[in-house]
Amino acid sequence: AQSVTQPDIHITVSEGASLELRCNYSYGATPYLFWYVQSPGQGLQLLLKYFSGDTLVQGIKGFEAEFKRSQSSFNLRKPSVHWSDAAEYFCAVAPDSWGKLQFGAGTQVVVTP
Amino acid sequence: DSGVTQTPKHLITATGQRVTLRCSPRSGDLSVYWYQQSLDQGLQFLIHYYNGEERAKGNILERFSAQQFPDLHSELNLSSLELGDSALYFCASSSPGGGEQFFGPGTRLTVL
Repeated sequence: AQSVTQPDIHITVSEGASLELRCNYSYGATPYLFWYVQSPGQGLQLLLKYFSGDTLVQGIKGFEAEFKRSQSSFNLRKPSVHWSDAAEYFCAVAPDSWGKLQFGAGTQVVVTP
Repeated sequence: DSGVTQTPKHLITATGQRVTLRCSPRSGDLSVYWYQQSLDQGLQFLIHYYNGEERAKGNILERFSAQQFPDLHSELNLSSLELGDSALYFCASSSPGGGEQFFGPGTRLTVL
């Protein structure tokens, strides 16, 4: 069965430290890959996406993600977190550019001073 | 602001009732997707419409229905509501060429 796994439910990171959020997927073919962020009481905002090409993709707010086909992973990184990065982050996959999004369970990020 | 609007923002109702959630996609987008976010199920895809036609169905209960109108806005109808239907309901839209989905702010439904 197709699945999206975010192994870390909760991550605490100090302001200024680096952040890496993990995402693994199980899919028949390479899916379309996305990272979304949800701040408290807000909707989902797209951080970045991977459809094809360069496996290192840059997104908004200083985030980047790397697609690794051999590991079926699409991990999100940020070199230096800001207090405003505290939010819930969702990895999502879709079979094509039209398809439904299948979301992981999310990773809650807490940023400490 | 994604350009996707949803009304109402909050809805409180009783079990057994029926409600309608409304979504207006971004200008020019033909696709509307509905998702449900709950604590126990996470984010789940419900249904996808493209230019007025149903394209895909996900884990949508028979008590739920949706449609997309000629002006491209969409409505999600939830009937015979149960406590477990309490959730955040999002709609998203995407451009005619596909690609990323842009999410609205959501409607928080509370069933008492």
